[in-house]
Amino acid sequence: KQEVTQIPAALSVPEGENLVLNCSFTDSAIYNLQWFRQDPGKGLTSLLLIQSSQREQTSGRLNASLDKSSGRSTLYIAASQPGDSATYLCAASKSVFTGNQFYFGTGTSLTVIP
Amino acid sequence: DTGVSQNPRHKITKRGQNVTFRCDPISEHNRLYWYRQTLGQGPEFLTYFQNEAQLEKSRLLSDRFSAERPKGSFSTLEIQRTEQGDSAMYLCASSLPTSGSYEQYFGPGTRLTVT
Repeated sequence: KQEVTQIPAALSVPEGENLVLNCSFTDSAIYNLQWFRQDPGKGLTSLLLIQSSQREQTSGRLNASLDKSSGRSTLYIAASQPGDSATYLCAASKSVFTGNQFYFGTGTSLTVIP
Repeated sequence: DTGVSQNPRHKITKRGQNVTFRCDPISEHNRLYWYRQTLGQGPEFLTYFQNEAQLEKSRLLSDRFSAERPKGSFSTLEIQRTEQGDSAMYLCASSLPTSGSYEQYFGPGTRLTVT
């Protein structure tokens, strides 16, 4: 079974700082990896999706990388803002032929201090 | 396109009662997923549909749980004889395999509290 781990569990940074969130997974045979943001009591907002054939994806101040061989992905947030405060979840999917269901980590809770 | 919607957003029920949740996926998305998320944890896969066919179920989906997607559009998740351990956020997601990405889009969730 795929195990997804996210480190650190919580992170507090001053506004403007660059930061990296880490995600590791045990089975490198993933189809894709998706990063989500979750605000308290809310659903998940997709941030970036990296297909298994890709190494990274960028959207605005966010950059996600994927290294399948080492079972790792990172989410880089540049110039953090208080509005970035949320829980960040990574999810690795199984083969699309078996449904592409996601295995989620437990998340990193980010607080950006003004 | 208004995204994935879920109803109700909150449900409080007494132990032993039955509850039903509804998910309306993004139109034309042929895959629909149900996940459950407990406090402080990441979502866990329950089941998924491709069109109207339920193709996979997690072992988390006990025989008290049943899901349907009768016409390949909206889906319902029913929990019979609810238990306090069923208290969680139930999330629905949909996807359409365009360009092979299978990106999943999530709804706002239904928060279930069993008293």
